[in-house]
Formats: sequence, C-alpha cells, structure tokens
Amino acid sequence: SYVLTQPPSVSVAPGQTARITCGGNNIGSRNVHWYQQKPGQAPVLVVYDDSDRPSGIPERFSGSNSGNTATLTISRVEAGDEADYYCQVWDSRSDHRGVFGGGTKLTVL
Amino acid sequence: EVQLLESGGGLVQPGGSLRLSCAASGFTFTNYAMSWVRQAPGKGLEWISAISGSGGITYYADSVKGRFTISRDNSKNTLYLQMNSLRAEDTAVYYCAKAPATVPTGRAFDIWGQGTMVTVSS
Repeated sequence: SYVLTQPPSVSVAPGQTARITCGGNNIGSRNVHWYQQKPGQAPVLVVYDDSDRPSGIPERFSGSNSGNTATLTISRVEAGDEADYYCQVWDSRSDHRGVFGGGTKLTVL
Repeated sequence: EVQLLESGGGLVQPGGSLRLSCAASGFTFTNYAMSWVRQAPGKGLEWISAISGSGGITYYADSVKGRFTISRDNSKNTLYLQMNSLRAEDTAVYYCAKAPATVPTGRAFDIWGQGTMVTVSS
C-alpha cells in the first residue's frame, strides 16, 4: 500500500515561513491535497490538486509537488495557523483507496 | 450553505453493530461522491470508504472491508455507514466528507461534517 510520510512537528516564529513536507514514492505523479485541523474541530481543506486554494483560504497557503516530495508552505505565519496538517492522495494503482499522511503539528512559537 | 451533519454514533459492545448517517444540504447531493474518514482518539486521519454520486461504485480500506458497508439514498440526501462486527480499534470520531466530483478517486475532500463519536467497549 502507498505510504505518505510527514514530520511529526514543525515550529516557526510568527511572521516567518513554515514548510511542511509529505514524502511518497513518486508523489509528483499524484494529486496531493492538504488539510488543516484545529483541536476539537473537523479538518478543513486548504490546498487541493497540489497547489490550488479553495475559496476563503488565504494566499499565504500554497503548495508544490515534485519527485518524491510535496510541500505545504505557509507564509507570514500567524498564531491562528497553529494546527495539525495532513496531506492526502488517492492510491489507484491496485485498488482505489484514500491515503493520509500521519500529520504534522505546526507550533507557532 | 453547504452542510454535512453526522449522527448515529454512540457506545456499542465489541461484536455489535451501528449505522451512521450523514445528512447533506446546500448542494445537489447526487452529483457528488462521498467518503467516510475516521480519527481514533489522539491519532491521525484514516480514510475508510467512498461511494460515487450514483451509489454504483464503492471502495473500502482493508481495515473495514467485509465489516462496513457504505450506501446512500439520494432521494433523502443522506449517506450511510453500516458497521458490523465492531472492534475496540474502531473507536474513533467518524466524519463524512464530500468530493468535488461524481467519482471520488483523485479528488480532495472539500466539505466535512462535524463528526460523530463511536466507542466500542464492553
């Protein structure tokens, strides 16, 4: 089965740039989606199809995907960005399954 | 307003059954695939099942295949998850999530419900 690997935690000071990676075998050939989840709340889609933003998501959130690594970049980080972030793809090579990364806790110092 | 509202969670004994529902509003339900995603306490997200807009195509994670059944009633704008032979490791918050297309594969989950808690314990 396809595996997505995320760092457990990332820390950044307010105003700086946070980069959260998602590793997978040839992930660049897949569409990667990113979700933000704050404590006690449902996940929210922040980036889809590698680099597109849903309406209402600030331009500070951006994504890229190439080779074996996809990256969610959050510019000018704010205290309100502190949350868990998950990457997600579909594994359709053998059967169709959704796959999530293990999640990354973003801490704003 | 696009909205998903789960219900049906609760406490159930190991080996028991439960049916979750997800009521959709604010969009043409039959036009969109839907999924169930769960989150065990303190753990990450786990996709468990998806269904196409028509209901004719379904997919399952290995962890629930043969025990859980996803279905939908497009006349009632409602998604279901029938859970049988429940185990302690099925304890989680269960979310329903909408895809932005008729088929789920390759797509993101653009709208999520608030979740319903399922606890499997004796």
